Amino acid sequence: GAVVSQHPSRVICKSGTSVKIECRSLDFQATTMFWYRQFPKQSLMLMATSNEGSKATYEQGVEKDKFLINHASLTLSTLTVTSAHPEDSSFYICSARSPGLNNEKLFFGSGTQLSVL
Amino acid sequence: DQQVKQNSPSLSVQEGRISILNCDYTNSMFDYFLWYKKYPAEGPTFLISISSIKDKNEDGRFTVFLNKSAKHLSLHIVPSQPGDSAVYFCAASATGNQFYFGTGTSLTVIP
Repeated sequence: GAVVSQHPSRVICKSGTSVKIECRSLDFQATTMFWYRQFPKQSLMLMATSNEGSKATYEQGVEKDKFLINHASLTLSTLTVTSAHPEDSSFYICSARSPGLNNEKLFFGSGTQLSVL
Repeated sequence: DQQVKQNSPSLSVQEGRISILNCDYTNSMFDYFLWYKKYPAEGPTFLISISSIKDKNEDGRFTVFLNKSAKHLSLHIVPSQPGDSAVYFCAASATGNQFYFGTGTSLTVIP
């Protein structure tokens, strides 16, 4: 089946630094990728929709200048948390929509646990 | 506004018995539904899907039932196995739009 690779799986950083998370679709081209975050015991919350070659669409309440999304190719989207603060500590997950017959199926990366000290 | 709800945060079932996980939604435009399984610190794994033209979809030990009039879907796992212990999320979308997730149900299968 389709595979989505997310890196790094875990990152600890100091407050004020920036962190980049990569999401790659390994065996299919993803024109659309999604970025979610999850707080403990809460649902996955969509942060933004990343479209290849165009600007990302952010959900209400998500700061686009803080969470920079770049979808430079059909297999790679990146999320950069700029000037991270402790409240940004969360589990971030990307997903990609698989094209073809199962084009409604989302495949997820393994997630990135971000801890900001 | 939570459009997809899983009202049971946790469920414990004896190995070999049936696990039933429930999900309710409010948006009548939703026409495609998914169930995902998630282990701690890992990304969700797709389990099974159903479109609104069906009321049942079966894949091995997993069956999803959809009741459109009640805006309710359920996931049945039978027989339950200890390896099924995980958090299960339901998700719903209207065609071509984003998916909305429930808050998850933590299933524990007791050996």
